[in-house]
Amino acid sequence: QVQLQESGPGLVKPSETLSLTCAVSGYSISSGYYWGWIRQPPGKGLEWIGSIYHSGSTYYNPSLKSRVTISVDTSKNQFSLKLSSVTAADTAVYYCARLDSSSWETSLDYWGQGTLVTVSS
Amino acid sequence: SSELTQDPAVSVALGQTVRITCQGDSLRSYYASWYQQKPGQAPVLVIYGKNNRPSGIPDRFSGSSSGNTASLTITGAQAEDEADYYCNSRDSSGNWVFGGGTKLTVL
Repeated sequence: QVQLQESGPGLVKPSETLSLTCAVSGYSISSGYYWGWIRQPPGKGLEWIGSIYHSGSTYYNPSLKSRVTISVDTSKNQFSLKLSSVTAADTAVYYCARLDSSSWETSLDYWGQGTLVTVSS
Repeated sequence: SSELTQDPAVSVALGQTVRITCQGDSLRSYYASWYQQKPGQAPVLVIYGKNNRPSGIPDRFSGSSSGNTASLTITGAQAEDEADYYCNSRDSSGNWVFGGGTKLTVL
């Protein structure tokens, strides 16, 4: 059974960098699939942040692209998110997920439980 | 356009059938996937591809697509189906995109 677990600080100061890690168990990241981050501000909908292929190629949400970096560490079977210059608008529950994709369909088939990150001084 | 549009709220009587829709240009070339999210929980994949259900998803959930519109149908809605539902797809640039979500109330 594939499992994902987010970890990182729950409180980040404005203008600093938010850093989260997603540890994957039950599947080797280097074997395939995309791996990504999704966030959900309190009371609002889901927002895709970005995805990374097991080989390292990335896709980022155009609205966040200038501030986002996603990387993968196959030796630790985990991937990470860095979001720079955060503001209160970045306060959200952050989820990591596995993304399956072909030429005509895509799905996020496994999700972490989510972690709340609050941006506040 | 990379947007996916959903009705904010839909209601259905217990045991009746409800359709939740998702509109967007990307759906002309990409099937939508659908997610159920209950309060305080992570989203759960319920439909993907042409009309595929992951293991453990009841067969009252089904999906369909026509033109720029994807639909999630719940046939015989149950009280436990009350939740937020989100569609997802990829746009022409390869970026993933979510719909704004539909809050389903079972009366």
